[in-house]
Amino acid sequence: AQKVTQAQTEISVVEKEDVTLDCVYETRDTTYYLFWYKQPPSGELVFLIRRNSFDEQNEISGRYSWNFQKSTSSFNFTITASQVVDSAVYFCALSEEETSGSRLTFGEGTQLTVNP
Amino acid sequence: GAGVSQTPSNKVTEKGKYVELRCDPISGHTALYWYRQSLGQGPEFLIYFQGTGAADDSGLPNDRFFAVRPEGSVSTLKIQRTERGDSAVYLCASSLRGPGLAGDEQFFGPGTRLTVL
Repeated sequence: AQKVTQAQTEISVVEKEDVTLDCVYETRDTTYYLFWYKQPPSGELVFLIRRNSFDEQNEISGRYSWNFQKSTSSFNFTITASQVVDSAVYFCALSEEETSGSRLTFGEGTQLTVNP
Repeated sequence: GAGVSQTPSNKVTEKGKYVELRCDPISGHTALYWYRQSLGQGPEFLIYFQGTGAADDSGLPNDRFFAVRPEGSVSTLKIQRTERGDSAVYLCASSLRGPGLAGDEQFFGPGTRLTVL
């Protein structure tokens, strides 16, 4: 069965520090997609990135970068030079082409607090 | 353009009552999803629709939960004989193409916070 594990429940950093949020997933499908969503205190989930299982290229978008490694079933998210506005709960999620269709399986989330 | 909207934003009810939660997806999105998020946890899938039909309702916890999407746009999640354990934030999402295309980005609404006393 599909599963997403975010082992870090809470992380606290000081502004301008770099921080990495870990995500490990389990799936039997060969075609699957991985996502990161941000949930600020307002509560609405905001899409950040999607990767498919055939594309292991790392991606950078501004201060955000993602490292996808199939060998370790991980899809980690790094924020460089963190800012107070990055404070939120971050969720990693998985969808599977063959087994579960487009429904998302989420991890438990990592609460990131960036202190000034 | 307008995002996914959900009403009400908050609903307080008493144990045993019936509630309806409404979701208005992004215009033109064919797929609609319901998730439930308990405090301190990630969202959990409940059901999704392709058009008017429920393509997968395997996440509904029991037969007290039911959802409809009669015209392929707005959806209503219905909960009968509510229990305190039903208290959670109910999230709705929509996507452009729909089930079977697992990589489709889902756009989430702000959620309805349900409290059962």
